[in-house]
Amino acid sequence: NAGVTQTPKFRVLKTGQSMTLLCAQDMNHEYMYWYRQDPGMGLRLIHYSVGEGTTAKGEVPDGYNVSRLKKQNFLLGLESAAPSQTSVYFCASSSWQGETQYFGPGTRLLVL
Amino acid sequence: AQKITQTQPGMFVQEKEAVTLDCTYDTSDQSYGLFWYKQPSSGEMIFLIYQGSYDEQNATEGRYSLNFQKARKSANLVISASQLGDSAMYFCAMREGAGANSKLTFGKGITLSVRP
Repeated sequence: NAGVTQTPKFRVLKTGQSMTLLCAQDMNHEYMYWYRQDPGMGLRLIHYSVGEGTTAKGEVPDGYNVSRLKKQNFLLGLESAAPSQTSVYFCASSSWQGETQYFGPGTRLLVL
Repeated sequence: AQKITQTQPGMFVQEKEAVTLDCTYDTSDQSYGLFWYKQPSSGEMIFLIYQGSYDEQNATEGRYSLNFQKARKSANLVISASQLGDSAMYFCAMREGAGANSKLTFGKGITLSVRP
């Protein structure tokens, strides 16, 4: 039982490049979330999903897209990376009751 | 207004002593939940403790307890018998709404350093 896993752990991109961050959970959770963490800002919600095939915008969705084709996976895409997207990205999941969210280990992204 | 406020500067505590980390919140919901997460230097977010707004007793999990004062809208984390491994960033968070409409809002965190 791995919980929530994220790939990659670390990535360096050049401005304008694209990439996809993968989140996987093996807890059969309905809800999944993507956050970004910046110094002094805490965690901010980018996008979330309340079930397979559904996605919704969070607090800071601009510049990101997401997909939830399978219940266990939640993908975060950056179509054209910008230096402002340099951050640590966390994925989380929770059961349908929407209570405790369990987090992955994070992905550190540097956009040059 | 900020939904979650953590205003303490970096906190220091002597090993084996207790420490309280402050958190105040702002919501008009009657049903909400309060969480504390720990983030060590390795970076992962570790769930510590949860308190529901209707829970009459303060939540406890091992050395962690949540001092919930509803009227004052505070949800302070108390760590008893501090250990060196408790040195980390601690985040308070609040869930508003329910089910698919629930949202989790985080505070900016407090850094705790445990001195030997």
